[in-house]
Amino acid sequence: EDKVVQSPLSLVVHEGDTVTLNCSYEVTNFRSLLWYKQEKKAPTFLFMLTSSGIEKKSGRLSSILDKKELFSILNITATQTGDSAIYLCGSYSGGGADGLTFGKGTHLIIQP
Amino acid sequence: SAVISQKPSRDICQRGTSLTIQCQVDSQVTMMFWYRQQPGQSLTLIATANQGSEATYESGFVIDKFPISRPNLTFSTLTVSNMSPEDSSIYLCSAGHSDTQYFGPGTRLTVL
Repeated sequence: EDKVVQSPLSLVVHEGDTVTLNCSYEVTNFRSLLWYKQEKKAPTFLFMLTSSGIEKKSGRLSSILDKKELFSILNITATQTGDSAIYLCGSYSGGGADGLTFGKGTHLIIQP
Repeated sequence: SAVISQKPSRDICQRGTSLTIQCQVDSQVTMMFWYRQQPGQSLTLIATANQGSEATYESGFVIDKFPISRPNLTFSTLTVSNMSPEDSSIYLCSAGHSDTQYFGPGTRLTVL
């Protein structure tokens, strides 16, 4: 059974801090790993990672995949209160119904 | 990217009734999926909506309870049948190509 594990499950930091969110996966026929930010209902897409060692960057957010160790990290630098959200990691495999298997998410709270 | 709309955005229903949720995508997509997010939980894949054929359900979800239609490449419906309070959840439609999925705004369902 495909499995995605995120850590920590919750994190409280102060504005301006840098945070690193972790995601490990065990999936059949791994194809890609995706990160989403969920604030209210709909998750919004952040990154899709398919290759090891290639950092994807968008503003203060960056992410990288390690296919040998089966994990990914999401970094947020100079955090702002607007970064407060649940960050979801999902893995897309070639088996099963081809939908994403999600971790439980990391609930990030940025305090002013 | 794909822009996805869902309706209704929320509903309150009585036990034993059924609700059909609609999902519309602004462009043709190869893949459409339905997810459920129960309170405090991560997203769980219900099924893949296949265009012109029966949906592919994940373990624990059955067609009698969650019938799905996908008559064309841009539209799908999910029906939650014979509802009970345990069906109270956010239901999310996602759509995309290849390995990238975008999510609709979700339908918040409360069953009394």
